[in-house]
Amino acid sequence: QSALTQPASVSGSPGQSITISCTGTSSDIGSYNLVSWYQQYPGKAPKLLIYEANRRPSGVSNRFSGSKSDNTASLTISGLQAEDEADYYCCSSAGSDWIFGGGTKVTVL
Amino acid sequence: QLQLQESGPGLVKPSETLSLTCTVSGASISSGSYFWGWVRQPPGKGLEWIGSIYYSGSTTYNVSLKSRVTISVDTSTSQVSLRLTSVTAADTSVYYCAMMKRGFDFWGQGALVTVSS
Repeated sequence: QSALTQPASVSGSPGQSITISCTGTSSDIGSYNLVSWYQQYPGKAPKLLIYEANRRPSGVSNRFSGSKSDNTASLTISGLQAEDEADYYCCSSAGSDWIFGGGTKVTVL
Repeated sequence: QLQLQESGPGLVKPSETLSLTCTVSGASISSGSYFWGWVRQPPGKGLEWIGSIYYSGSTTYNVSLKSRVTISVDTSTSQVSLRLTSVTAADTSVYYCAMMKRGFDFWGQGALVTVSS
């Protein structure tokens, strides 16, 4: 199965909102609500930000929000901060398998 | 608190077998609430799911690796193991183990494995 499609990079100024898209197919994102998002700093392990498309684990800032429509999921970061500069990955169940997106580098200008 | 620690050789020769162990502490590996997964990340590249296992031993594998990968669980030692056979340079990656409940909820720090002669 092919990786989910994410933009390679997204940038924004502090305080702005940015949205990262994640496009899949009817066999993964379109069929399951098990979409998750991860934040990864260089040299560090990924961290779960969003699960089940739009739910936040406790301890994750409410500046991060997720949504899903048809075969596309999105992660929105509101009130962009310098600490949000990192790589972001989406992930979807595809039945018994899991597929990741190629990753998006977020730059805070 | 929950900790996942990957361990194993950092250098493997081409055509040989990569073996890693993930030791879990702070959570019961036998809990029916979680799966345990392995994910890898080649240097400078994205994440790739390798496979997952339930405490009962039931497994699912990435179809692209299925012929070469084995994941097992030892509840007596709270360890999840990964074996990848016939490795090539393309298998050079950081290998992560993760606890899976709502996604990949919690990750180990990762172990870099380089395939080189």
